[in-house]
Amino acid sequence: QVQLQESGPGLVQPSQTLSLTCTVSGGSISGGTYYWSWIRQHPGKGLEWIGYIYHRGNTDYTPSLRSRATISVDTSKNQFSLNLSSMTAADTAVYYCARYHYDPGSDYSNIFDYWGQGALVTVSS
Amino acid sequence: EIVMTQSPLSLPVTPGEPASISCRSSQSLLHINGYTYFYWYLQRPGQSPQLLIYLGSNRASGVPDRFSGSGSGTDFTLKISRVEAEDVGVYYCMQALLTPLTFGGGTKVEIK
Repeated sequence: QVQLQESGPGLVQPSQTLSLTCTVSGGSISGGTYYWSWIRQHPGKGLEWIGYIYHRGNTDYTPSLRSRATISVDTSKNQFSLNLSSMTAADTAVYYCARYHYDPGSDYSNIFDYWGQGALVTVSS
Repeated sequence: EIVMTQSPLSLPVTPGEPASISCRSSQSLLHINGYTYFYWYLQRPGQSPQLLIYLGSNRASGVPDRFSGSGSGTDFTLKISRVEAEDVGVYYCMQALLTPLTFGGGTKVEIK
């Protein structure tokens, strides 16, 4: 059974950079047709896709965060990470990592099939 | 960016009664390969979202058959034939035709 676990600081100072890591267990981050994703949820609000990375390093981001977000992968540790720079109070949210199953042309594709439990990040001085 | 609009925002339900949630996308989610990249997720209180329906109408593994998804193009519906207490939570629609992947604002289902 694949499991994902977010780790990182729960409190970030304004203007600083958030660094979160997602550790994948029960499966290889390099195997299969998966993109490794970050999604956030502002308090009491809906879901916002931040971006994803393929194990070979290909990335894509939502336009509103593209200038501040960087997603990277460390296949040797079976981890992927999110850096989000210039944090403000508006970035306070629960950050989820998730596996995105991408197999175009298949009848089971473009699916977030495994999620981490989420990590609450508060931006405050 | 494809905008997803859900209704209603809140849905009080009586156990044993049916329930229905709608979602509209700002453009057709039909790909040239014939698949419609539309999904429903449920986020139970205090939990991460979980997949309910994929490609518009296919139930995910383990999802009870009281859940059904329908629709095409830009208009989609999630129906629960008989609501149970465990169905409470926030339901999100999502499109995966194009990036950025986008979600609807959510529909909160609660027991009356």
